[in-house]
Amino acid sequence: DAGITQSPRHKVTETGTPVTLRCHQTENHRYMYWYRQDPGHGLRLIHYSYGVKDTDKGEVSDGYSVSRSKTEDFLLTLESATSSQTSVYFCAIRALTGTSGYEQYFGPGTRLTVT
Amino acid sequence: AQSVTQLDSHVSVSEGTPVLLRCNYSSSYSPSLFWYVQHPNKGLQLLLKYTSAATLVKGINGFEAEFKKSETSFHLTKPSAHMSDAAEYFCVVSDGGSSNTGKLIFGQGTTLQVKP
Repeated sequence: DAGITQSPRHKVTETGTPVTLRCHQTENHRYMYWYRQDPGHGLRLIHYSYGVKDTDKGEVSDGYSVSRSKTEDFLLTLESATSSQTSVYFCAIRALTGTSGYEQYFGPGTRLTVT
Repeated sequence: AQSVTQLDSHVSVSEGTPVLLRCNYSSSYSPSLFWYVQHPNKGLQLLLKYTSAATLVKGINGFEAEFKKSETSFHLTKPSAHMSDAAEYFCVVSDGGSSNTGKLIFGQGTTLQVKP
């Protein structure tokens, strides 16, 4: 599982409330990613980080912010949750695998429901 | 810009028969391509990847995929389906070129149903 944990694993929240999801890794990987998964869309990149305090937007970043104050933690914040942000959120890390380049490994996911 | 199209949203096979999941890609660079599998209510697991070495790539659980540049395809196959193969499969391309941020672009997914 590449030492990736996500918390919480399930959350129900009300429209307009702030929500923070946490991704924690134990193997000192530089790159970390947040994706959301919705039926018919596969996974779509929200934000990613290429080091402490270094982040950039992905394909669907509106309504989300991220922070990375230390290597092991990558936080995803919904400033004011909306029903359209009901989804399953996956964190991933990028690992160098011998001579065959990079691979991404995913956390177990967080199921977020916004009512 | 990179993109991926999975040509079938749902594939149904009988146990013991071959599996073919189709994927076409578009990329400005020599792409890195992946297949991931997701079993119900589970996370994603890497099945195999292509990174410009051999065009026929072997993965876990008997799956393989062939990179065909002329057809811009990366179809996933398995000679004989097993009940445990029932899952959702994603074809994925990674950004490349000078940025190399590792951002992944996912296809929409193909649900594989295996009938006894």
